[in-house]
Amino acid sequence: GAVVSQHPSRVICKSGTSVKIECRSLDFQATTMFWYRQFPKKSLMLMATSNEGSKATYEQGVEKDKFLINHASLTLSTLTVTSAHPEDSSFYICSADRSRDTQYFGPGTRLTVL
Amino acid sequence: AQSVTQLGSHVSVSEGALVLLRCNYSSSVPPYLFWYVQYPNQGLQLLLKYTSAATLVKGINGFEAEFKKSETSFHLTKPSAHMSDAAEYFCAVSGGGGSEKLVFGKGTKLTVNP
Repeated sequence: GAVVSQHPSRVICKSGTSVKIECRSLDFQATTMFWYRQFPKKSLMLMATSNEGSKATYEQGVEKDKFLINHASLTLSTLTVTSAHPEDSSFYICSADRSRDTQYFGPGTRLTVL
Repeated sequence: AQSVTQLGSHVSVSEGALVLLRCNYSSSVPPYLFWYVQYPNQGLQLLLKYTSAATLVKGINGFEAEFKKSETSFHLTKPSAHMSDAAEYFCAVSGGGGSEKLVFGKGTKLTVNP
C-alpha cells in the first residue's frame, strides 16, 4: 500500500514551453500533497504544499506563477512548469500525505530544458 | 522551526559491517522523525518513522533507529551491511502529522564495499 506515481518519469522540452507533471496516489486518498525539487547531489527543497480543493501554499522564493499547482481530486495533483528555461531543469518529486502522519513519495520526474 | 543535521555526507562500510548514519534534529515542538532511502534516479522510500510512540523504531530491510530526546538524535543503524544498501539516506523532521512540512537533512551517501 501507499503507492504514489508520477508521470512522466522523464521529459525533455524546449525553452519557453510548458510542462505538466502528474502526481497520483494509487491506493489511498490524499488531502495534502507536496512538491519538492532536488538538485544534483543535494537534498530536497519543498516548493509548495498542495491541498485538495484549495490554492497551493508556496514556499518563500518559489514563483507561484511559474510553478502552477492544481490539486483537483484526492488522488491527483499536477505541477505545471510554465515558460520553462534551462535553469528549471531538475528532479521534481511529489509526496502524498497518508493517514496524516507520513508522507509517501513518488518516483520523481527528471525535467531537462534545452 | 525544525532543522536536521546529518553528520557525514559520505559513509563507507564493508559488507557485513555495522552501518551507523547519524542524524541530529532541532525542533520547537515534539518532533516526528523519519528516515528515507533514495536509490539513483528514484524517489524516496520510507525506511522508518518515529511518531512519539516507542523510542526504538524498527524499519524495513533490517534498519532501526533510536530516538534520544536528551541527545536530540535519531541515528540509523543496521547490524550487517549488504551491497544492496548502497544508496542515499535522508533524515527528516516534521512538527507532527503527515500534513506538516518535512525538513530534510542534506543526506548521507552510503557505500558498501565487498
